[in-house]
Parts: sequence; structure tokens; C-alpha cells
Amino acid sequence: EAQVTQNPRYLITVTGKKLTVTCSQNMNHEYMSWYRQDPGLGLRQIYYSMNVEATDKGDVPEGYKVSRKEKRNFPLILESPSPNQTSLYFCASSPGVGRDSRPYGSNQPQHFGDGTRLSIL
Amino acid sequence: AQKITQTQPGMFVQEKEAVTLDCTYDTSDPSYGLFWYKQPSSGEMIFLIYQGSYDQQNATEGRYSLNFQKARKSANLVISASQLGDSAMYFCAMREVYSSASKIIFGSGTRLSIRP
Repeated sequence: EAQVTQNPRYLITVTGKKLTVTCSQNMNHEYMSWYRQDPGLGLRQIYYSMNVEATDKGDVPEGYKVSRKEKRNFPLILESPSPNQTSLYFCASSPGVGRDSRPYGSNQPQHFGDGTRLSIL
Repeated sequence: AQKITQTQPGMFVQEKEAVTLDCTYDTSDPSYGLFWYKQPSSGEMIFLIYQGSYDQQNATEGRYSLNFQKARKSANLVISASQLGDSAMYFCAMREVYSSASKIIFGSGTRLSIRP
């Protein structure tokens, strides 16, 4: 079954204690992304990756790190979590996007993981 | 710059009625894609429908259709014959092809509640 798997689903932790949220996809997608969802703000992109070893900042990257050493995995790292990072986090993947006149993948929806609810006390 | 606006934070609709969820966008990219997602109370994100900027016809998927008005930069989702199971958050999203193909932005969402 095609899926994006995030772990953990729920985590309560304390300020300053490093944590990693894992994300894995089995669809051979080039593009992967992390979002956080907060009430009234929708989903905001944290980081994205166009392919292995190619990552870039989204709209709200402060306080987060990512890596893309393998195509299937895209972990989100909070080196020193703070209470303002309490949120619902989603990982997503989709085929890559080309830049020719008929770009591949631009019409492909993202596949989302089930979400990770983080509470930082 | 990319921008997505959903002006209806919440809506109540009677079961079996049609409902329109508004979405306007801003982009300078000539080529882009627009997506609608549904998020039920269980939290998962479910893809509903896609509209490409060069598509000649409005997209349809079962009870979902997209009222795409390119000149007005609007991409409203229409749900026909609403059902109780349609109660959820709905998000509009946009992906530009050329200027920032890597970024995908979402609106703030509309919470739809269907009354029996």
C-alpha cells in the first residue's frame, strides 16, 4: 500500500530536549515536505526537499532541521524544542516537478502522513 | 508572491444542499495547479480535486467540482448534495510550476458543518 508513515503520532516533551520526527514514503517520490498546522493559520511549510541531498527552507523554518540522505526518508529535527513549536505536524510527498512546457508532477497531489501531535511543555 | 485566501472560517449547511467553499489566490506564475484537501476530525489530509491553470474545463470528481475563474483568480469548491460525512475542514492549496515550483501554500481553511 502506498503510504507516508510518520512517527511518533503523539509526543509530549519538555523544552530543550532534542527530538526527531521520522517520515518515510514507499512511492519513490522525489519531493518531500514538512508542514505544521495551527488553528486559523492552515498548513505552513517548514522545509521541503526536491530530492536526495537537496533541501530548502519553507515559510517557517526557524527552530527546525531536516536531512534527506535517502530518497524514502525525511526526518524533522527539533534541536532545542520550545513551547511555540507545539503543533500538529504533517509530512507529505509527491512526484518531482519539472520545468519544461508540460512539467511532470505539477498536477500530482501530495500524499500526507497521518500527522504528529507535538506538545512542548 | 504566492497567496491563498479562504474567507469563510466556518459554514453550516443543511444535509442534501449544495455548498460552495471559496478560494482566491494570487500568483504571477503563468502555470500553476490548485488543489483541495479535506481534513475530517480524525486529522488525516484527503486529496479531493485538482485544477491546472491551463485546463480548459472545470475539474469534477464525483460530487466535487471546481468553479475555476482564472481572470478572477478564484477556485471555489462545490459539493453537491451534501452528506453528514462531508463535515470537515477544507483546505485550498496552490503549487506554482516555474517561479517557485518547490513551494506549496495552503489557505487557512474552512470548517464545514452539515446539519441533519
